[in-house]
Amino acid sequence: AQSVSQHNHHVILSEAASLELGCNYSYGGTVNLFWYVQYPGQHLQLLLKYFSGDPLVKGIKGFEAEFIKSKFSFNLRKPSVQWSDTAEYFCAVTTSGGSYIPTFGRGTSLIVHP
Amino acid sequence: DTAVSQTPKYLVTQMGNDKSIKCEQNLGHDTMYWYKQDSKKFLKIMFSYNNKELIINETVPNRFSPKSPDKAHLNLHINSLELGDSAVYFCASSHRERSGNTIYFGEGSWLTVV
Repeated sequence: AQSVSQHNHHVILSEAASLELGCNYSYGGTVNLFWYVQYPGQHLQLLLKYFSGDPLVKGIKGFEAEFIKSKFSFNLRKPSVQWSDTAEYFCAVTTSGGSYIPTFGRGTSLIVHP
Repeated sequence: DTAVSQTPKYLVTQMGNDKSIKCEQNLGHDTMYWYKQDSKKFLKIMFSYNNKELIINETVPNRFSPKSPDKAHLNLHINSLELGDSAVYFCASSHRERSGNTIYFGEGSWLTVV
């Protein structure tokens, strides 16, 4: 079965700082990778996703993520965060051939100070 | 046009009661899910269901049961509610063979057991 690890549980930044949130997965086959954002008191919304092709994926609100197959990683980045990016961020994986049920990491809480 | 809708959004009830949370999706998806999010924001899959199979997370107490009258609905019924059932419950849906099984979430149901 696949699993997802998010190493940063809590991240605190000032506005305009750069962001990188780590995500590693364990699965030896083909994967589909996702980042979701959950703003305070709200539901999870899709930020971006990777299925195939260009390993650098651009999502909404200036976020991007890079799939590095050799490192089993899919880190989320943003060059300059805003106060409104304060939220919980979840990495998720589905697999082709393994369990189709999306597996989520434990989430990273991001706080951006104005 | 709410894609995945669930009701009620807030539910406060006493221990020992039986309650249901309803979920409907209008995305034409073939698979629906229930996730539980605890106070630490951890997302735990409870059930996955399409018209062919029900997959139950074996750690879910049998007081929880999914009921699906049709492909567009997956309701969650909970018997004999306990204090530890207090959490946010998210319904979600996806199409297993499309878009890498991208999952879309409802807005959540905040359950408080007193």
